Order: sequence, then structure tokens, then C-alpha cells
Amino acid sequence: QVQLQESGPGLVKPSETLSLSCTVSGGSVRSGDYHWSWIRQAPGKGLEWIGYIYSSGRIYYNPSLNSRVTISEDTSKNQFSLRLSSVSAADTAVYFCGSYIVGAGGRGSWGQGILVTVSS
Amino acid sequence: DIQMTQSPSTLSASVGDRVTITCRASQTLNNWLAWYQQKPGKAPKLLIYKVSNLEGGVPSRFSGSGSGTEFTLTISSLQPDDFATYYCQQYNSFSWTFGQGTKVEIK
Repeated sequence: QVQLQESGPGLVKPSETLSLSCTVSGGSVRSGDYHWSWIRQAPGKGLEWIGYIYSSGRIYYNPSLNSRVTISEDTSKNQFSLRLSSVSAADTAVYFCGSYIVGAGGRGSWGQGILVTVSS
Repeated sequence: DIQMTQSPSTLSASVGDRVTITCRASQTLNNWLAWYQQKPGKAPKLLIYKVSNLEGGVPSRFSGSGSGTEFTLTISSLQPDDFATYYCQQYNSFSWTFGQGTKVEIK
């Protein structure tokens, strides 16, 4: 079973870039079997899909975040990453990484989540 | 983009009650719909995938149904551990979306 662990700064200043990594164990980010995904949840709010990468380079983003978000993979570290630019307080959230099995309609694993606060 | 409208947003129920949560999609989903349960401070847990398939280890009191644009999660007999927030998620398009969530509270 794939296991995931998010890492990165818990505090980011407004207008700067949020950068998070997700370390994968029990699987390989090279694998075309998974959609390597990011999801977030603002305090007291619902879940918001951010985007995913799969098959070593096919990437899809939430249209509402498309202009600010970049998802990439680092096969040497078996990680995938999220960068969100020009952040504001509205980007304060728990960020989850997830591995969705391709074609399995939601099956997969989630990380425990990491709280990122945007504040000066 | 496919929009998901989940209802109700809050549901008050008692242990033993039958509970139904609905998700309506703005487009036909071709069965690419899942249901999650989330408890405070935890990552969501998959309950149902591809509309009606029970994830391993999930109690059989949970079931999913529906087709096209309307889908339902049913808890046949609500248990104390089931008080949580539930989300649907569609995977039909390259751009995925979640429903707004339904909080199941103790009546």
C-alpha cells in the first residue's frame, strides 16, 4: 500500500510562493498506475481538488487555481510537489497529497495533511 | 467544469436512523463517483467508489447508488462512529470536483 507524507513550511507570507512536497513510500512516482494529487481544505470548509500529475508528465489543474499552481515530480527523491504562487490568506488550508489508482474511481491513499498558514 | 451539488449540508439524526445524502452533478458522470467520510483533524476516508462499490473494511451499512447525474449515499442504521462529514467526488472529467459536504450531527 502506498503511503504518503507531506512536508514544507507551515507559514508563508502573503504574495509569496507556497511550496510543499509529498514523499511516496510503497510505490514509485514513475508509476503510471496512480494520479499523484493535491487537495486542500480551508479551516472549517470543504475539500478542494487542486490538481494531479500522472504518467510522468500529464498534469491537470483546478481551473480556478490554474494560473498560480504547478505540480511536478522528482523521481530521484520519489516525491511530487506543489507550488502555489501569489498566495493570500484565502490559501490558508490543510494541504493533503493523495495517490489515486488510475481507473479505480477514487481508490488510493491520502497523506495526513499539513496546515499552511498565510500570514505576515 | 462539472459542478457537484450535495444535500443536505447538515443532517441531524439519531443512532439507528436510516440516513440518505444526495449528490447531483451538472453533467453525466458515467459512474465515476466516490463517497468519503471525514472526521475532525483527519484525512478523508474512502467509503464507496464507482458509485456503489464498498471499499474494503467499510461496514456494510454504507451503500451507494445512482446513475447519470444523481447519486446517493445511504447509511442503513446510523452508528455512533458515523457522526462525521461526508463528501462526494466526481472523477468523470480530467478536472475533478468535490461536493460541498454533509455534516451528520447527533439529534
